Amino acid sequence: EVQVVESGGGLVQPGGSLRLSCAASGFTFRRYWMRWVRQAPGKGLEWVANIKQDGSEKYYVDSVKGRFTISRDNAKNSLYLQMDNLRADDTAVYYCATGYCDSNDCYYAFEHWGQGTLVTVSS
Amino acid sequence: QSALTQPRSVSGSPGQSVTISCTGTSSDVGGYNYVSWYQHHPGKAPKFMIYDVDKRPSGVPDRFSGSKSGNTASLTVSGLQAEDEADYYCCSYAGSYTWVFGGGTKLTVL
Repeated sequence: EVQVVESGGGLVQPGGSLRLSCAASGFTFRRYWMRWVRQAPGKGLEWVANIKQDGSEKYYVDSVKGRFTISRDNAKNSLYLQMDNLRADDTAVYYCATGYCDSNDCYYAFEHWGQGTLVTVSS
Repeated sequence: QSALTQPRSVSGSPGQSVTISCTGTSSDVGGYNYVSWYQHHPGKAPKFMIYDVDKRPSGVPDRFSGSKSGNTASLTVSGLQAEDEADYYCCSYAGSYTWVFGGGTKLTVL
């Protein structure tokens, strides 16, 4: 059974840092692009960052560029999001998601999601 | 990277069909056939429903179908069932390995 489980959320002051983790199991982690998506209270989903299978390429939404860093450890089947200089508008539930691959190809979609971890930025 | 536009809510009775629209621009929905849809029951993990505009991953009932015309994509849910009540989000590839989601639509089964 595929599982992705986020952890590391919590309450942090503006300007502070937090590191989110995502533990993956039940699939060949190193085969998939991995992604972070967030949902602010009362708002829709927002794509945050992607990382290629080998970690060589990383992409971010403009609002987090220079502040967030996505990384992965294929040996540990784990994905990370280092969040620095946090702002109040970063308050959200953060989801870890896999790309989508079938037996033939990989696609531009988000297949497996975790239940999210809540990050609250407030003084 | 502006969010795609979805209606805030739609509703239908059991057995009926409803369609949720998702409007973007030529830089996202209109520029790529990479629209996907997600079902989200609050407090749970979102569920992957449609990819590449109109393809269903295995396990998704054929009551769910997707389409696209120009800058607007649509998700149709036929034969509504009580368990279809959820929030639905569209998502489009926007080039350079970036994605944009819609604001979400709450589907109510009356």
